[in-house]
Amino acid sequence: GENVEQHPSTLSVQEGDSAVIKCTYSDSASNYFPWYKQELGKRPQLIIDIRSNVGEKKDQRIAVTLNKTAKHFSLHITETQPEDSAVYFCAASKYGGSQGNLIFGKGTKLSVKP
Amino acid sequence: DGGITQSPKYLFRKEGQNVTLSCEQNLNHDAMYWYRQDPGQGLRLIYYSQIVNDFQKGDIAEGYSVSREKKESFPLTVTSAQKNPTAFYLCASSFSSANTEAFFGQGTRLTVV
Repeated sequence: GENVEQHPSTLSVQEGDSAVIKCTYSDSASNYFPWYKQELGKRPQLIIDIRSNVGEKKDQRIAVTLNKTAKHFSLHITETQPEDSAVYFCAASKYGGSQGNLIFGKGTKLSVKP
Repeated sequence: DGGITQSPKYLFRKEGQNVTLSCEQNLNHDAMYWYRQDPGQGLRLIYYSQIVNDFQKGDIAEGYSVSREKKESFPLTVTSAQKNPTAFYLCASSFSSANTEAFFGQGTRLTVV
């Protein structure tokens, strides 16, 4: 089955700096890669996603890149703010026919210091 | 808030007892998922279901059981065979026909004493 590795497990940056979180996946048939943010005591919520037919997607300060050949994808947060502090999860899924699951990485705890 | 509801928020059970966690959604989603969240372990998939009356095991299904008799409901039973049941359990749902956002419930924290 699919296996998703996420690095680093913790990341501390100064406010205004950029943060990068990287994930690799094992199943070359995976075709959907979302990123979730979980604030303390709250449920995970989608912040951005990318499908296998594109290599990059951007939404304001957040961007995701996908390298299908290398089977890795990354989350980039620019101009970080204290409210970006949270745990971020990457995930991979494979849809089509009767397939369909959603496998998560172990998460990255991002701390943004003012 | 997101249309997916888990109950209860906190649950205490004695060791050796089975316990069922509720998950209901009114989003007309086909797919539903159960995850277990432990510190440092991320979200581990227990079971998932793409359609009514069908479900598949995830990575850590041992000691758990599910049913999907209705589209809106996907209850999870934690059985006495689960060796370490104390954890935070999250239910999620999404449309299965396309790669779309999964919405999570607020979670149930189960403590077995």
